Amino acid sequence: GAGVSQSPSNKVTEKGKDVELRCDPISGHTALYWYRQRLGQGLEFLIYFQGNSAPDKSGLPSDRFSAERTGESVSTLTIQRTQQEDSAVYLCASRIPGQGSGYTFGSGTRLTVV
Amino acid sequence: RKEVEQDPGPFNVPEGATVAFNCTYSNSASQSFFWYRQDCRKEPKLLMSVYSSGNEDGRFTAQLNRASQYISLLIRDSKLSDSATYLCVVNSYNQAGTALIFGKGTTLSVSS
Repeated sequence: GAGVSQSPSNKVTEKGKDVELRCDPISGHTALYWYRQRLGQGLEFLIYFQGNSAPDKSGLPSDRFSAERTGESVSTLTIQRTQQEDSAVYLCASRIPGQGSGYTFGSGTRLTVV
Repeated sequence: RKEVEQDPGPFNVPEGATVAFNCTYSNSASQSFFWYRQDCRKEPKLLMSVYSSGNEDGRFTAQLNRASQYISLLIRDSKLSDSATYLCVVNSYNQAGTALIFGKGTTLSVSS
């Protein structure tokens, strides 16, 4: 596609429920990142996928968070047993690896846990 | 020390002013540097890459000082539309791979 597509754009869920967020990167972009941005805060790195390499999960805040990626295409971020502190905008970015190349972000999924 | 540090501002300037933002980073092995712009409730968008030799794009000039681990962004002749949060971004490499590390951003408000 022309850009990074994320769905849903907004999600309201009850505390304790599981949610799944989806990211469709730009075709050909082998690197994919998930970030979280709480209201008024900076971006927090969550996880990074690069081709068939093992993902860098060092940013995942707890074992309730997991992410998968099918080949070099769609990625899903799953949050189990959601908590109110999980409320944030979850942003996905993709790029073609290589020094100096910029990242393209999706418009994000705004998650609200009530 | 935080990986990427920025003065949060806000910077409140009149139209036409020149304003400079600074950023420091802690990982000397960092390879790539960027400035992103984020409008309120929007996703970050790449403003410009930052090269060691310095680079300019219209009214925007970016500089990198690797020895001091310091990045700057200069905006000349500020416009109302420049009002946004400017994010200093560093691409750091580690054993697991590479990740963009974002500063918390500097807020700019340009008024008429």
